[in-house]
Amino acid sequence: AAGVIQSPRHLIKEKRETATLKCYPIPRHDTVYWYQQGPGQDPQFLISFYEKMQSDKGSIPDRFSAQQFSDYHSELNMSSLELGDSALYFCASSQGTIGEQYFGPGTRLTVT
Amino acid sequence: QQQVKQSPQSLIVQKGGISIINCAYENTAFDYFPWYQQFPGKGPALLIAIRPDVSEKKEGRFTISFNKSAKQFSLHIMDSQPGDSATYFCAASDSGNTPLVFGKGTRLSVIA
Repeated sequence: AAGVIQSPRHLIKEKRETATLKCYPIPRHDTVYWYQQGPGQDPQFLISFYEKMQSDKGSIPDRFSAQQFSDYHSELNMSSLELGDSALYFCASSQGTIGEQYFGPGTRLTVT
Repeated sequence: QQQVKQSPQSLIVQKGGISIINCAYENTAFDYFPWYQQFPGKGPALLIAIRPDVSEKKEGRFTISFNKSAKQFSLHIMDSQPGDSATYFCAASDSGNTPLVFGKGTRLSVIA
């Protein structure tokens, strides 16, 4: 079965640079969530989109923005990167109100 | 404030034994309770989930027990195997396509 696709899988950036993470949800899933997971921590919700509209917002820094496109893929844009942004970034998708969220393999972002 | 409290932090179980992980929540609006399994460097994988209309759900070796009045739910892994060694997260959300709130995770080690 098709799963959530994330790219790139690994990304190394320097402080103050920008990064763009991409997420391709499972086919026919219309909701995308972004989570950030630090080492040894639980995933923390950043932002979500339903039918291309922002649906919920969590602890996402103002330096980050995201959107969902007409084909339902989503991009997380991160600017003025800080060392503390180093983490695993997961995208999850679900189908409408069914609620089951399926996670992608993640993007490991390292800021040096 | 941790909305979902998970215990224990770590657990060592003999092969063939039963692994039990507990979670408690405060928000009575929560009505969807999934469990995720995560291997190092991988995305969380949905194991099993329950809604408050049932007190127990079983899928293979995995069982969720749910106590609505106590606002607690637990994961039981029967006949634990070394391949089950991973970090397990409980989570909760309030209806359908809303962000998940995770517990802090339990690192399970199954030893032969």
